[in-house]
Amino acid sequence: EVQLVESGGGLMQPGGSLRLSCVASGFTFSTNYMSWVRQAPGKGLEWVSVTYSGGDTYFADSVKGRFTISRDSSKNTLFLQMSSLGAEDTGVYYCARTSGNYQFYSYDYWGQGTLVTVSS
Amino acid sequence: DIQMTQSPSSLSASVGDRVTITCRTSQTINNYLNWYQQKPGKAPRLLIYGASSLQSGVPSRFSGDGSGTDFTLSISSLQPEDFATYYCQQTYSTPAFGGGTKVEIK
Repeated sequence: EVQLVESGGGLMQPGGSLRLSCVASGFTFSTNYMSWVRQAPGKGLEWVSVTYSGGDTYFADSVKGRFTISRDSSKNTLFLQMSSLGAEDTGVYYCARTSGNYQFYSYDYWGQGTLVTVSS
Repeated sequence: DIQMTQSPSSLSASVGDRVTITCRTSQTINNYLNWYQQKPGKAPRLLIYGASSLQSGVPSRFSGDGSGTDFTLSISSLQPEDFATYYCQQTYSTPAFGGGTKVEIK
């Protein structure tokens, strides 16, 4: 059974840093693309970042230069390192297995989400 | 960036109704379009990928259609568990989601 379990969220002051983790199980983590998607309170879904199995990474313009994505395949864990946090980064962060390739892909499994709140 | 317009933003329907949600993109995306369902407090769930392919385990009352710039998600006979918010997503370029359609009980 595929499972994704996020952790690391919490209350942060503006300008702070935070690292989210997502532990994967039930599939071959190292060969799958993995993504982060977030959702501000009461709002829609926003793609944040993706890491391909070959190591390439991409980011939404809203987080470029502030967030990094990485993985530790020995621990089946995906990370999202967030810095220079602002109120606009508040929301639930989901990790998602990204199945497919090139432009033909979808998020077929999602974690339960971890809440990040940025407030003074 | 490709703009995505979902309509309606909300709708009220009864159990057994046929429901159709539309997603329109600002430029052609071939069939690189997915649909997700999200219930309050829960993670999204993939329903349809590639515009019309039903994800494993999803009931056959859900269907997707379209290509180019205009897409639809249909629910042939609305069930109590289908009351939720539905999102389209394009993966032709930088991935983006539509604004969502909330399906409520009439």
